[in-house]
Amino acid sequence: SQQGEEDPQALSIQEGENATMNCSYKTSINNLQWYRQNSGRGLVHLILIRSNEREKHSGRLRVTLDTSKKSSSLLITASRAADTASYFCATDMGGGNKLTFGTGTQLKVEL
Amino acid sequence: DAGITQSPRHKVTETGTPVTLRCHQTENHRYMYWYRQDPGHGLRLIHYSYGVKDTDKGEVSDGYSVSRSKTEDFLLTLESATSSQTSVYFCAISETGSSYEQYFGPGTRLTVT
Repeated sequence: SQQGEEDPQALSIQEGENATMNCSYKTSINNLQWYRQNSGRGLVHLILIRSNEREKHSGRLRVTLDTSKKSSSLLITASRAADTASYFCATDMGGGNKLTFGTGTQLKVEL
Repeated sequence: DAGITQSPRHKVTETGTPVTLRCHQTENHRYMYWYRQDPGHGLRLIHYSYGVKDTDKGEVSDGYSVSRSKTEDFLLTLESATSSQTSVYFCAISETGSSYEQYFGPGTRLTVT
């Protein structure tokens, strides 16, 4: 079963708007990572947030982590058509050096 | 881009035949992973390696085996391919395991007829 579940499954917005996607997980984690996948390509790492951190920024990306609710959110500000992709969260539950990926959110940014 | 290549990039094979996919890295990273990606399931871990000749099973390892005889190469073998193994297969590498990011290869699209 999936550790991480993204919400929504699909999101369509206009260029310039903000996009928010959420990830919920079931067990305690060491860290949570967000990846982007463009159609037909491999995944690209975006940001990693550790369990003792609450918020991280990278350019137009902002990630929050609420370990009490077992959830994380990825905010993309001022979205661009090039942000059109699938976004996945992945959790490190510890004890194995492996990540468990969610099912992803498909983001479409329209001009 | 991290130096990861996968071969072949596309393959069509028949049910019951063995298939080997290759992942090659030039980054000298210790950890290597094989995932499969299917609609509605995201990425699921098949096997991973934490060093030469050191491997472990992932979530969906049945019907798959792996080998790593050199740091740079990680092979995934489907012992007797089935239609349920039709998927896109991704290799990933990581310098220090799950504590840091993984870098992904371009993927191999496998169709089992």
